[in-house]
Amino acid sequence: ETGVTQTPRHLVMGMTNKKSLKCEQHLGHNAMYWYKQSAKKPLELMFVYNFKEQTENNSVPSRFSPECPNSSHLFLHLHTLQPEDSALYLCASSQLSGVTDTQYFGPGTRLTVL
Amino acid sequence: GENVEQHPSTLSVQEGDSAVIKCTYSDSASNYFPWYKQELGKRPQLIIDIRSNVGEKKDQRIAVTLNKTAKHFSLHITETQPEDSAVYFCAANTNAGKSTFGDGTTLTVKP
Repeated sequence: ETGVTQTPRHLVMGMTNKKSLKCEQHLGHNAMYWYKQSAKKPLELMFVYNFKEQTENNSVPSRFSPECPNSSHLFLHLHTLQPEDSALYLCASSQLSGVTDTQYFGPGTRLTVL
Repeated sequence: GENVEQHPSTLSVQEGDSAVIKCTYSDSASNYFPWYKQELGKRPQLIIDIRSNVGEKKDQRIAVTLNKTAKHFSLHITETQPEDSAVYFCAANTNAGKSTFGDGTTLTVKP
């Protein structure tokens, strides 16, 4: 349960605020992911980082800005969000080996945009 | 890109009965198919997986079958228990590491 950690666990912000979500993995994995989970789309991939390089950006609005300074840390910078961005944001990591890519999820950050 | 469809979206069974959840995928390059269970308020966790060179895999009460020709795979839970109640997600992965998830199935096991 402590392999992937996320902070904060809950966040309430106004539409003009700037905040950041943090994810850290202690599993020695080489890939990290951001997902958005909402009632509308249960598990929606946002970004993928493979060895710190962004390899996937699923048409995510520019008000979400990811940062991956090293293979253990992943950030999601938020600015001028909309109420419809309220959701659970899950971070995950995996070891891309070409054999199995089991994803290990963090506990998530519950984001509410007022 | 890959498209994964999962059915049914909700499933209610009596304790002791079996439950089956089905997924179809579109990308023939997908070669790894994990299933995740997400209990209420918790993170998704892997429960079983299968690679494309295997047709079936079993782990106690859960099993997964894969039909690569038809591009569909299924999760089977036998002798269901109330603690099996959760949301189940299937996924299809390529070697590039991209996971495409189904929309989830909410399973309710009635005691």
